[in-house]
Amino acid sequence: EIVLTQSPGILSLSPGERATLSCRASQSVRSNFLAWYQQKPGQAPKLLIYGASSRATGLPDRIVGSGSGTDFTLTISRLEPEDFAVYYCQQYGNSPLTFGGGTKVEIK
Amino acid sequence: EVQLLESGGGLVQPGGSLRLSCAASGFTFSTSTLSWVRQAPGQGLEWASTISVTGSTTYYGDSVKGRFTISRDNSKDTVYLQMNSLRAEDTAVYYCAREVLPGYFDLWGRGTLVTVSS
Repeated sequence: EIVLTQSPGILSLSPGERATLSCRASQSVRSNFLAWYQQKPGQAPKLLIYGASSRATGLPDRIVGSGSGTDFTLTISRLEPEDFAVYYCQQYGNSPLTFGGGTKVEIK
Repeated sequence: EVQLLESGGGLVQPGGSLRLSCAASGFTFSTSTLSWVRQAPGQGLEWASTISVTGSTTYYGDSVKGRFTISRDNSKDTVYLQMNSLRAEDTAVYYCAREVLPGYFDLWGRGTLVTVSS
């Protein structure tokens, strides 16, 4: 089973600042099959990125996924109020499907 | 509107059973792979089970294998999760999700809460 480790656990930033979220896999993710989700309190997760860098429909340009192999990054260039949430990475290159523990982006 | 709507959650005693349902609308259900993903209170996400478009192939996470059964009825646009021998650690919000092969989730329901407690 591939273990995904997300860091930091909590990111305290102000609106307009840049957020950099890390997701590290315990072994190489086949074909960079990695997705990112955003979850707000009381809501279901929402797909942001798939294939490490492909944007879901309607995703603003300020949110970018990158990386390959075992190291992946989600970057939000300028935080908007609606970006404060918890973010999860998920790998789907190997069975079983696994998720990271999440990074909470909170308002500083 | 494209959506998934879960139902069937509630309070159940340890060792008991519960069946969750997930009704789909707004998209072609019969060509969609469906999954259940759960989230314990205050915790992260855990994939539980997936069913193929015809229902002929099913997959389970180790924590639910042998106790949970996923099924679907394409005539009713509904997927089910039969949960038996429930344990306290099964307490979670259970989300129904549409899976885009080879395995990310592009559509999620709002979830249904299952609480296993005496």
